[in-house]
Amino acid sequence: QQQVKQSPQSLIVQKGGISIINCAYENTAFDYFPWYQQFPGKGPALLIAIRPDVSEKKEGRFTISFNKSAKQFSLHIMDSQPGDSATYFCAASLSGGYNKLIFGAGTRLAVHP
Amino acid sequence: GAGVSQTPSNKVTEKGKYVELRCDPISGHTALYWYRQSLGQGPEFLIYFQGTGAADDSGLPNDRFFAVRPEGSVSTLKIQRTERGDSAVYLCASSLSPGTEQYFGPGTRLTVT
Repeated sequence: QQQVKQSPQSLIVQKGGISIINCAYENTAFDYFPWYQQFPGKGPALLIAIRPDVSEKKEGRFTISFNKSAKQFSLHIMDSQPGDSATYFCAASLSGGYNKLIFGAGTRLAVHP
Repeated sequence: GAGVSQTPSNKVTEKGKYVELRCDPISGHTALYWYRQSLGQGPEFLIYFQGTGAADDSGLPNDRFFAVRPEGSVSTLKIQRTERGDSAVYLCASSLSPGTEQYFGPGTRLTVT
């Protein structure tokens, strides 16, 4: 009930391409879905987040697509750049209090020039 | 302003020893979280503090792990009788209030030999 499953484990994209990372969750009570970006030796940093009352949220080159009926959400990185090379984590939590984040296993993205 | 800081950045200890890991949250942040990140995995929730009290310690793996936040600011994660399986990066995060964005520190890499 608490799992968040993330795929792919690793991803290689050419500069300018679209990176797509997918996540699926089990607990239908989850209502906050953030994506974090982590560089080596650093802590995760919030990239973008969505709540289930909308199906899509866009911030610059980053878009979250959310499918409530399928219990899936995905991150799209448009015009991927070498500086986007990092590990990306999806997460989910219950609101109505504090955000105890349940993370996916991560996707290591490499953007080649 | 300063972000979340954690000390030490690296800690190597022998099996059976006691360790303390320190977290300095962002000034004014009332909520503090500890997570553990094993190699190639996403962070796993350990404990959440609201002010001085541990509001949720459901993620602590066993009674060898303990955390305190005596003055509602700095927190210390304490691990007794360390085991090789405790080796991981221990991340601290803080947020202005419960349910708001969590800001992560760089983590403490603990290696138990």
